[in-house]
Amino acid sequence: DGGITQSPKYLFRKEGQNVTLSCEQNLNHDAMYWYRQDPGQGLRLIYYSQIVNDFQKGDIAEGYSVSREKKESFPLTVTSAQKNPTAFYLCASSKGPGEQFFGPGTRLTVL
Amino acid sequence: GENVEQHPSTLSVQEGDSAVIKCTYSDSASNYFPWYKQELGKGPQLIIDIRSNVGEKKDQRIAVTLNKTAKHFSLHITETQPEDSAVYFCAASRGNYGGATNKLIFGTGTLLAVQP
Repeated sequence: DGGITQSPKYLFRKEGQNVTLSCEQNLNHDAMYWYRQDPGQGLRLIYYSQIVNDFQKGDIAEGYSVSREKKESFPLTVTSAQKNPTAFYLCASSKGPGEQFFGPGTRLTVL
Repeated sequence: GENVEQHPSTLSVQEGDSAVIKCTYSDSASNYFPWYKQELGKGPQLIIDIRSNVGEKKDQRIAVTLNKTAKHFSLHITETQPEDSAVYFCAASRGNYGGATNKLIFGTGTLLAVQP
């Protein structure tokens, strides 16, 4: 089956901890994206990558970091510098300009 | 900055009625306009999209219209069914215009409830 997988589905973090969210795609897409979703708000772009070993900040990159060492993988680390990390995190990928395919999401809760 | 406004935030209709959701974008260079449906606890799924070189696109019960002059685009769902109940998001993108990436700017979403 082709698609995007995200893990874990639920994640709990203590204050001061870094956590890493996984995103993998087998669609052979060049571009990958991370979005954050909060209740009552649209999706906001955290980071995106158009090609392996290259990525750019989105609109709300502070407190987050990413890497793109492989075409299939685009992990997101939520660092302790992110003051309000509780949210639903969505990963997406695209072949080029046009449709972005989304994963099932990871719900992060800070305890 | 770039912005997409979406209305209404909630919409309740009777089964079989039509539903219309409207969006307005600010970036005149936008040329790609997708609509996503998101069910509770899941990732968004594309239901229809339109590019700026056409004014209307239809797929069975779903249609999207685009008015480039007014920078408006709308989603129309006819003969609504209970399984249409979800949150719908509009978005706008420049595509590869000017070398920019395929960055989507999302509206704030519309919660559609179809009453049986």
